[in-house]
Amino acid sequence: QVQLQQWGAGLLKPSETLSLTCAVSGVPFSDYYWSWVRQSPGRGLEWIGQVTRRGTTSDSPSFRSRVSISLDTSKSQFSLNLTSVTAADTAVYYCAKHDSSALFFDYWGQGVLVAVSS
Amino acid sequence: EIVLTQSPGTLSLSPGERATLSCRASQSISISFLAWYQQKPGQAPRLLLHGASNRATGIPGRFSGSGSGTDFTLSISRLEPEDSAVYYCQQYGRSLYTFGQGTKLEIK
Repeated sequence: QVQLQQWGAGLLKPSETLSLTCAVSGVPFSDYYWSWVRQSPGRGLEWIGQVTRRGTTSDSPSFRSRVSISLDTSKSQFSLNLTSVTAADTAVYYCAKHDSSALFFDYWGQGVLVAVSS
Repeated sequence: EIVLTQSPGTLSLSPGERATLSCRASQSISISFLAWYQQKPGQAPRLLLHGASNRATGIPGRFSGSGSGTDFTLSISRLEPEDSAVYYCQQYGRSLYTFGQGTKLEIK
């Protein structure tokens, strides 16, 4: 079955870079788009950005170019880097698989809580 | 950015009743671009419906969706205790995915 397993540092200081990786199994990795979504009490569910099967990325204007998403097709993994974090970036971060139409998210990772605190 | 507003904020119903959850978009969206998710505490969101009314794999027939334009509805018939969760709508438009703020469904 489709599985997304994600990991990364859970505690950061302000101005540091958030780095998360998501490993995919059970589905042809190169056939789909992949996204990062975060969730916080104050901002709810918030789409961060996506990487297409060709490696093209796009992200939400809310992140003002702090976001970098990459993929490693040889390992069926994709990663998120978010620079210059602040307390406002404290959230649970999810990786997610798009359906074949890329309009919604049909599988999600387990989520990683990332806290930003000095 | 298209804003999705869900109502009510919280819904408290008894087992066997029918729940009706609303999702209103700030501008008209295509039916194809509207999805619904269920999220239980400590879990990731789970896809329920896509294309406004198409059930995802494994979703019971008690869950149904309708609507068009700016107004969409998720209906859950014959509520069961396991339906207690937060429900989110989500849309895709202008290269951006956005979510509603959620409706919390409590089963008494």
